[in-house]
Amino acid sequence: AQKVTQAQTEISVVEKEDVTLDCVYETRDTTYYLFWYKQPPSGELVFLIRRNSFDEQNEISGRYSWNFQKSTSSFNFTITASQVVDSAVYFCAHTYNNNDMRFGAGTRLTVKP
Amino acid sequence: EAQVTQNPRYLITVTGKKLTVTCSQNMNHEYMSWYRQDPGLGLRQIYYSMNVEVTDKGDVPEGYKVSRKEKRNFPLILESPSPNQTSLYFCASSLGLAGVYEQYFGPGTRLTVT
Repeated sequence: AQKVTQAQTEISVVEKEDVTLDCVYETRDTTYYLFWYKQPPSGELVFLIRRNSFDEQNEISGRYSWNFQKSTSSFNFTITASQVVDSAVYFCAHTYNNNDMRFGAGTRLTVKP
Repeated sequence: EAQVTQNPRYLITVTGKKLTVTCSQNMNHEYMSWYRQDPGLGLRQIYYSMNVEVTDKGDVPEGYKVSRKEKRNFPLILESPSPNQTSLYFCASSLGLAGVYEQYFGPGTRLTVT
């Protein structure tokens, strides 16, 4: 079955530490998309990034960076110099057939001051 | 302001009493979907719609119905709710297929079935 695994259920760090959230996916498709969403304590879901399967370039956006490796079916997310406002649940998601979207179980990140 | 709205935000009901959760978007998006979020399971897709009058099952459709009579609205219907449908529900919309475009999520509806 095509699924997304976020092995880290909870992570706790102290402010200014770097932290990496792991995401491993299973797929039979050659063309697919990967996403990361953030769910802060207020509950809404916020889009962070979309990456298609043909683009393995790493991406950096401010303190956020993503490492996509097709060889290991991983799409990991790193927050550099974490801040308290980064505390949230982070979801990795994968789509196949351009529609069926599968989310991981989420990783709850707590950043302590 | 571009947004997806859901109503109600909180609902407590009893087993078997039909209910509808409304979802509306003002972005003229073609694609809409419903998800449920449960602890340890992430979000699971219930139903999706690629356009008016076009709906299809997602990962966990049992016990739910949807309709898409207008582009902006995509209500979720529970004909006979059961306690295992207690969950946090999200509606989402996107310009096109969920696999290609960013989805915009509503604020969520917390449903408790006793």
